[in-house]
Amino acid sequence: KAGVTQTPRYLIKTRGQQVTLSCSPISGHRSVSWYQQTPGQGLQFLFEYFSETQRNKGNFPGRFSGRQFSNSRSEMNVSTLELGDSALYLCASSLDRGNNEQFFGPGTRLTVL
Amino acid sequence: AQSVSQHNHHVILSEAASLELGCNYSYGGTVNLFWYVQYPGQHLQLLLKYFSGDPLVKGIKGFEAEFIKSKFSFNLRKPSVQWSDTAEYFCAVGRGGSQGNLIFGKGTKLSVKP
Repeated sequence: KAGVTQTPRYLIKTRGQQVTLSCSPISGHRSVSWYQQTPGQGLQFLFEYFSETQRNKGNFPGRFSGRQFSNSRSEMNVSTLELGDSALYLCASSLDRGNNEQFFGPGTRLTVL
Repeated sequence: AQSVSQHNHHVILSEAASLELGCNYSYGGTVNLFWYVQYPGQHLQLLLKYFSGDPLVKGIKGFEAEFIKSKFSFNLRKPSVQWSDTAEYFCAVGRGGSQGNLIFGKGTKLSVKP
């Protein structure tokens, strides 16, 4: 079974720009969560999507948003990029909503200059 | 707010030494507990998990963890580490139900000297 895939793997943007990251969950998994990983803050939860609806949200500003499509694929968007948004963005999928057993993708490394 | 604490930021061991990494969490309800490992240049992989039942759980690559409810702890152990265990280890807690997300500890870097 193919794992969680994320595209692109690397991105370089400048301050003020916006970016869209994509995630394809494991086949049959219906829940997708996003996390931000930085050396200082570690892994922090961004949001969780199930059945095309955001079910749970972490403590991030409104510049961070996401969506989920009917095939469970998900995208996250960050608008008006700031230097502090430089991080590894991880997508994780699980079978159902509320299922904590999550499988992680390789991440998208975002660098904001 | 719920939090997860990992006591050691960086642990350095020689091969064949025993390993114990501490993890404590601050939630009084039912929890699901996980240890993930991130090898250099690779993505997070599930090492082991605890949902219910026997508090001593065994995972991949000879790792095990013990859930002690009274201490809110879920420590990771391995009797004899190898150089290939060099990685960063993350403890994570989930509440299940409507809360599918995980709360992660800050991670512990393990360096094993050959």
